[in-house]
Amino acid sequence: GAGVSQTPSNKVTEKGKYVELRCDPISGHTALYWYRQSLGQGPEFLIYFQGTGAADDSGLPNDRFFAVRPEGSVSTLKIQRTERGDSAVYLCASSARGTVLGNEQFFGPGTRLTVL
Amino acid sequence: TQLLEQSPQFLSIQEGENLTVYCNSSSVFSSLQWYRQEPGEGPVLLVTVVTGGEVKKLKRLTFQFGDARKDSSLHITAAQPGDTGLYLCAGGTYKYIFGTGTRLKVLA
Repeated sequence: GAGVSQTPSNKVTEKGKYVELRCDPISGHTALYWYRQSLGQGPEFLIYFQGTGAADDSGLPNDRFFAVRPEGSVSTLKIQRTERGDSAVYLCASSARGTVLGNEQFFGPGTRLTVL
Repeated sequence: TQLLEQSPQFLSIQEGENLTVYCNSSSVFSSLQWYRQEPGEGPVLLVTVVTGGEVKKLKRLTFQFGDARKDSSLHITAAQPGDTGLYLCAGGTYKYIFGTGTRLKVLA
């Protein structure tokens, strides 16, 4: 497909479980971003990849959250020991470049995570 | 810390009316983006403004970037039900800061 895709679209899990959320960026985009959007709010930055490396992970809320992008394309956001407060929509975005002025980010449909 | 505040937070209008949404900050941004988000979907990019004082038009939508690059506005002329959605402004070089959002509902 032409756009950013995310799987699964919905994920329901129990408190304390481990979850993985996947993002497929637009082909050729070197930069990839993860955001979290809580109900009624704008997205909040979590982590930014340029190629395979995490260029900025300052938005990750704690060490239960981790993300990888081993081959510079698909990325996986991993959450350990989930808590009810982790419930949100997790959005992935990609852009052709990372830090160039006016470089637009294109978002996927998101994964809605519900922790019971 | 850079913040973006949007107003109004909610807006419900009749089809055919005009409206303006504001995005304000005390910080200077190198560029601002406007997105529209519908329920269950990710934000869709509408426009990027880069130059202070810049005005961009997208059909019935007019976007303006403030001279000092601290604020932006979105004006919709003759709103239609298809304009309904959450409008978000965002700024930053790569680590986007999103505004608080304006939820627009256009009634037929």
